[in-house]
Amino acid sequence: DQQVKQNSPSLSVQEGRISILNCDYTNSMFDYFLWYKKYPAEGPTFLISISSIKDKNEDGRFTVFLNKSAKHLSLHIVPSQPGDSAVYFCAASAGYGQNFVFGPGTRLSVLP
Amino acid sequence: DAGVTQSPTHLIKTRGQQVTLRCSPKSGHDTVSWYQQALGQGPQFIFQYYEEEERQRGNFPDRFSGHQFPNYSSELNVNALLLGDSALYLCASSAGTGLNTEAFFGQGTRLTVV
Repeated sequence: DQQVKQNSPSLSVQEGRISILNCDYTNSMFDYFLWYKKYPAEGPTFLISISSIKDKNEDGRFTVFLNKSAKHLSLHIVPSQPGDSAVYFCAASAGYGQNFVFGPGTRLSVLP
Repeated sequence: DAGVTQSPTHLIKTRGQQVTLRCSPKSGHDTVSWYQQALGQGPQFIFQYYEEEERQRGNFPDRFSGHQFPNYSSELNVNALLLGDSALYLCASSAGTGLNTEAFFGQGTRLTVV
């Protein structure tokens, strides 16, 4: 049973436009969410996080939105740049010190 | 700062053999978690070590075991390798086991079982 879902395996966006990556979760105990970015032959790198007490967190070009009632979060990248091309993983955690459950990832391609 | 380093980067083993993967955490970090990432999937949590003890464990068989040393480095051991163990093994380190603790990942060890 996949507790964290990323239903779009891939996404292509034109440079300068907005990229929207979506993530859905099923476990209502999840209360902390992160996005990681992964380039080929590298480990995932932390991008942005959000706690369940917030519905939005912004860091430069990256904004994460959380809709707890819908169990849905999204990552917005504005404007998208070719260097953003990577696989993006959504991850969730429940409670203090718990391990993270990762989604399967979405491959973003930003076209020049 | 070297960040999280893993060795080896690639490894080929035969079914039934045993393998040991190594991880050195980022400077200042005392907690190490191991993840398995199969092709086309997200990382899956194997276990976490803190203060040289296994603190949490994911849904992996006992063939997967680990160790943490006093210098916080860690090893992942897999016995009786199966073809299905072929994956990228990621080590992540953090400072403490707190929820809001950002984890830093190594580049991973690509294990191929033939």
